[in-house]
Amino acid sequence: QSALTQPPSASGSPGQSVTISCTGTSSDVGGYNYVSWYQQYPGKAPKLMIYEVSKRPSGVSDRFSGSKSGNTASLTVSGLQAEDEADYYCSSYVGSNNLLFGGGTKLTVL
Amino acid sequence: EVQLVESGGGLVQPGGSLRLSCAISGFTFRNYWMNWVRQAPGKGLEWVAIINEDESVKYYLDSVKGRFTISRDNAHNSLYLQMNSLRVEDTAVYYCAKDLPRSGWSNDFWGQGTLVTVSS
Repeated sequence: QSALTQPPSASGSPGQSVTISCTGTSSDVGGYNYVSWYQQYPGKAPKLMIYEVSKRPSGVSDRFSGSKSGNTASLTVSGLQAEDEADYYCSSYVGSNNLLFGGGTKLTVL
Repeated sequence: EVQLVESGGGLVQPGGSLRLSCAISGFTFRNYWMNWVRQAPGKGLEWVAIINEDESVKYYLDSVKGRFTISRDNAHNSLYLQMNSLRVEDTAVYYCAKDLPRSGWSNDFWGQGTLVTVSS
């Protein structure tokens, strides 16, 4: 299976909102409410930011929110801050006992 | 504090073998599914394998089936990945990660990773 499709880059100014998309198929993103989003700084381990499409783990800022429509999931970062500059990856459970990740989006805070 | 610490990475020739370990602390290891996820240099994340609490369920990425084996030792809070017949394309940082139950294989805690380099 191919990786989920994410834009390679996204950007916004401090205080703005940015939305990153993650497009799959009806066999993955569209078929299950099991989309997750991870934040990764260079040289560091990923951090879970969103799971089950829109749930936030304890300790994750409410500036991060997730949603899904059809085969496309989205991560929105509101009130952009310099510390949000990182790579973001989506993932989706796939029914054939597989987990797919997106190619990643580099978020730049201008 | 939850901690996952990988070890065992290094340089290996194509066709060779390596065994990765992940030492876990800070949660009741025997109660959780566990994953291995890898990241090739400059590339994105790729799920490799998952194992359930008692080793009765194991799933693998198609490209590593028959070459990699995931296992665990609940008595010693350790997760393993035995990698045989290694290929150049297996070069990556390998992360162990704790599964978040009933979340569709989300991973809520990750180790810092161990680098595996397959090269002649």
